[in-house]
Amino acid sequence: AQSVTQPDIHITVSEGASLELRCNYSYGATPYLFWYVQSPGQGLQLLLKYFSGDTLVQGIKGFEAEFKRSQSSFNLRKPSVHWSDAAEYFCAGGTGTASKLTFGTGTRLQVTL
Amino acid sequence: DAGVIQSPRHEVTEMGQEVTLRCKPISGHDYLFWYRQTMMRGLELLIYFNNNVPIDDSGMPEDRFSAKMPNASFSTLKIQPSEPRDSAVYFCASSLAGSRQPQHFGDGTRLSIL
Repeated sequence: AQSVTQPDIHITVSEGASLELRCNYSYGATPYLFWYVQSPGQGLQLLLKYFSGDTLVQGIKGFEAEFKRSQSSFNLRKPSVHWSDAAEYFCAGGTGTASKLTFGTGTRLQVTL
Repeated sequence: DAGVIQSPRHEVTEMGQEVTLRCKPISGHDYLFWYRQTMMRGLELLIYFNNNVPIDDSGMPEDRFSAKMPNASFSTLKIQPSEPRDSAVYFCASSLAGSRQPQHFGDGTRLSIL
């Protein structure tokens, strides 16, 4: 079955430290993948997306993600975290011609000052 | 540009009452999705439409839930009768046609059933 897994429920990092949020996928074909961020009381906002080509994709707010086929991963990274990055992050994937996405369970990021 | 607009933002009602949630997708988008988010179950897809036609409603939990899309600019999700376990945040999202189009989310409706 097609799935997206986020192994970490909660992560805490210090402001200014680097960040990596993990996402693993399970699809028969190469999926298209997204990262979304959800701030409290708001909807999900798209950070970045991967379809094909360059495996390192840049997104908004200084985030990037790298598609690694050999590891079935699409991890989100940021070199230096800001306190305003505290939020919940969702990885999502789809495949084929369907517009339906499968979302991971989310990773809550806490940033300490 | 206006994003996906949901109303109301908050709804508190008593068990047994009918609840109607509303969504206006982004103009020109062909797909509309309804999700439910809870602490226990995370983000669940309830139903989605393509060109106003329901495509997959397998996520609708019970017959108490119904969704309509009478035109390209409006959709409703109705719960009748409502139960306390329906308390959640309900999101509407829309996207352009095509498998690689991202979904754009509204700010959600926080529903509390007493």
